Amino acid sequence: NAGVTQTPKFQVLKTGQSMTLQCAQDMNHNSMYWYRQDPGMGLRLIYYSASEGTTDKGEVPNGYNVSRLNKREFSLRLESAAPSQTSVYFCASSELGTGLAYGYTFGSGTRLTVV
Amino acid sequence: EDQVTQSPEALRLQEGESSSLNCSYTVSGLRGLFWYRQDPGKGPEFLFTLYSAGEEKEKERLKATLTKKESFLHITAPKPEDSATYLCAVGAGNKLTFGGGTRVLVKP
Repeated sequence: NAGVTQTPKFQVLKTGQSMTLQCAQDMNHNSMYWYRQDPGMGLRLIYYSASEGTTDKGEVPNGYNVSRLNKREFSLRLESAAPSQTSVYFCASSELGTGLAYGYTFGSGTRLTVV
Repeated sequence: EDQVTQSPEALRLQEGESSSLNCSYTVSGLRGLFWYRQDPGKGPEFLFTLYSAGEEKEKERLKATLTKKESFLHITAPKPEDSATYLCAVGAGNKLTFGGGTRVLVKP
C-alpha cells in the first residue's frame, strides 16, 4: 500500500547512545516532516524538508539532526540520546505547491524509550 | 506564534449521544484548518480541510465547521467505532501546528 513507512517501530536506547530513525514515502511528495508526540503536548514539529535538498528547524530541534537523502527518504538522527527524548516519533509527507489541501500523510510511528 | 487549543481534553459519550469538539486558534496567514483522527498506536489519519469562515464539511457522522477564531467537530449519533483521539491543526506557510487533541470514548 502507498504511504509513509517508518523503521524501526520500537527502540530502547541507553542515555548517550545514538540512532537514526528512517522514513520513506512512495507518493512522490515533495515535503517531509518529523514530529514527536508526548502526552499532553500534542504533536510538535522537530524538522521539516520543504523539498529535496532543503531542511529547516521546527519547534523543538535541539538534540536532533536530519538528512533528506533523496525525494523519498528523510531520516532523523539522535546523536546522544537523553531521557527527555523518550517519545513517539512520526514522519509525515505532503504535496508542495498544492499547499496543504490534502494535509499530511503520516507513518505509523516509532516508539522510542531512552533509559 | 501559531497556537491551537482543543477542548475538552477527553469526552465520554453513550452511543447515539451527539456532541461537539472545539478547536480555537491564532495564526498568521491561515492556509487551512485540518482535522485528523488518531487511533491508539497509529499515526493521525486525515479527515477534513477547511479554508474559510462559514465553510462546512461532512463525512459519515462527522461534520466540521469553521469560524474566524475556532472550528467545531460535531459527532452525530456516535458509534463505538468513532472512539479515537481527534486532532486539530492549522496550516501556515508549509507547516502544520497541532492542538493537544480530544480523546473521545463512545460506550455502547
